[in-house]
Amino acid sequence: QQPVQSPQAVILREGEDAVINCSSSKALYSVHWYRQKHGEAPVFLMILLKGGEQKGHDKISASFNEKKQQSSLYLTASQLSYSGTYFCGTEIVGGGNKLTFGTGTQLKVEL
Amino acid sequence: DTGVSQDPRHKITKRGQNVTFRCDPISEHNRLYWYRQTLGQGPEFLTYFQNEAQLEKSRLLSDRFSAERPKGSFSTLEIQRTEQGDSAMYLCASSLEGPPYEQYFGPGTRLTVT
Repeated sequence: QQPVQSPQAVILREGEDAVINCSSSKALYSVHWYRQKHGEAPVFLMILLKGGEQKGHDKISASFNEKKQQSSLYLTASQLSYSGTYFCGTEIVGGGNKLTFGTGTQLKVEL
Repeated sequence: DTGVSQDPRHKITKRGQNVTFRCDPISEHNRLYWYRQTLGQGPEFLTYFQNEAQLEKSRLLSDRFSAERPKGSFSTLEIQRTEQGDSAMYLCASSLEGPPYEQYFGPGTRLTVT
């Protein structure tokens, strides 16, 4: 079953922060986050494994709440280059290593 | 460039024709995945390989679709008797064999069936 992302779309001014959420109804082994620009392939951002860890690099970080089967992606001090569609991909426990992608969140950063 | 490569990047075909796409993974990656993406949707899993073994195939995948990875390196995805509903971006990704299975995507092949 496809994970649900929220919000569906968000518009930011440069420098503002955003949070994108990903929620699954199944027990998760890992959550993968990708950003995709129009007409391009998804670009890997980070992976969070079962264990509730938080990760981050530069001004993008993410958390994984294993009990709630939810992950959140945090974008701080947004830049124009952050614009794109963000997808979470989930691996379910015992489901092999295929990813089931969420519905996507369109993010646009304006001046 | 040592990333995932796909060929061709674009393919236009007439309904009923067969098409074949190729994917070359990152050289040290044992696992190779195929996904399909339609406009406004996230990628949808089709199948994946570990070395030359096809480990899983989506139950939603028509019998017209077949994939191979004969020598455990590059992979091909063939669609027989194409239909207009097959029009999509076909994405290939690869990862290492062990966790954390970070998947890196290629540029994709955009298929248009007329």
